Amino acid sequence: EPEVTQTPSHQVTQMGQEVILRCVPISNHLYFYWYRQILGQKVEFLVSFYNNEISEKSEIFDDQFSVERPDGSNFTLKIRSTKLEDSAMYFCASSEAFQGAEAFFGQGTRLTVV
Amino acid sequence: GQQLNQSPQSMFIQEGEDVSMNCTSSSIFNTWLWYKQDPGEGPVLLIALYKAGELTSNGRLTAQFGITRKDSFLNISASIPSDVGIYFCAGQLGNYGGSQGNLIFGKGTKLSVKP
Repeated sequence: EPEVTQTPSHQVTQMGQEVILRCVPISNHLYFYWYRQILGQKVEFLVSFYNNEISEKSEIFDDQFSVERPDGSNFTLKIRSTKLEDSAMYFCASSEAFQGAEAFFGQGTRLTVV
Repeated sequence: GQQLNQSPQSMFIQEGEDVSMNCTSSSIFNTWLWYKQDPGEGPVLLIALYKAGELTSNGRLTAQFGITRKDSFLNISASIPSDVGIYFCAGQLGNYGGSQGNLIFGKGTKLSVKP
């Protein structure tokens, strides 16, 4: 069964360092997303991406964040200068369409900023 | 911003009991999705609903898309220990909210099942 895969599963980084979280969406999906879940809280939308550009972003997705599709299979989230409050689970998701389609999530990357 | 009110926050039930949880909002959604999340894992899609009034089943799970498009419920019949986890509702505003497709999540219902 096709699935969204994310690497690494756990990333520990020093405050102020840059991190790149990687995702391989389901191969025939064209719409990609990043979500964040702070421990014990709900899942929050960060950004959606289609046709090599950002479609929508939330207030959380400020200038320290960026996304990229560097090749035909990977989708990355970069956090330029990490802060303690960036510690969370980051989930990548993909879907066949923006609306009326099921979004499938990866297993997540646990980011710990120390 | 738009919010989903999910209830109850937690449930502790006996194995074999039926479970019901729901989500409500003041906003109109064009899609409702129900996910289950195990500790340290990503949300796993259980049921997707696309039409107002739609009632959909997936094994022991049944979910409905409210007629007003502002609510949805999920029922689990004859619960078993592996049903333990956190259940999230998620709505997609679509055209009704000018959204490009992102999901708004409820805060989750934590289900504990006692054998």
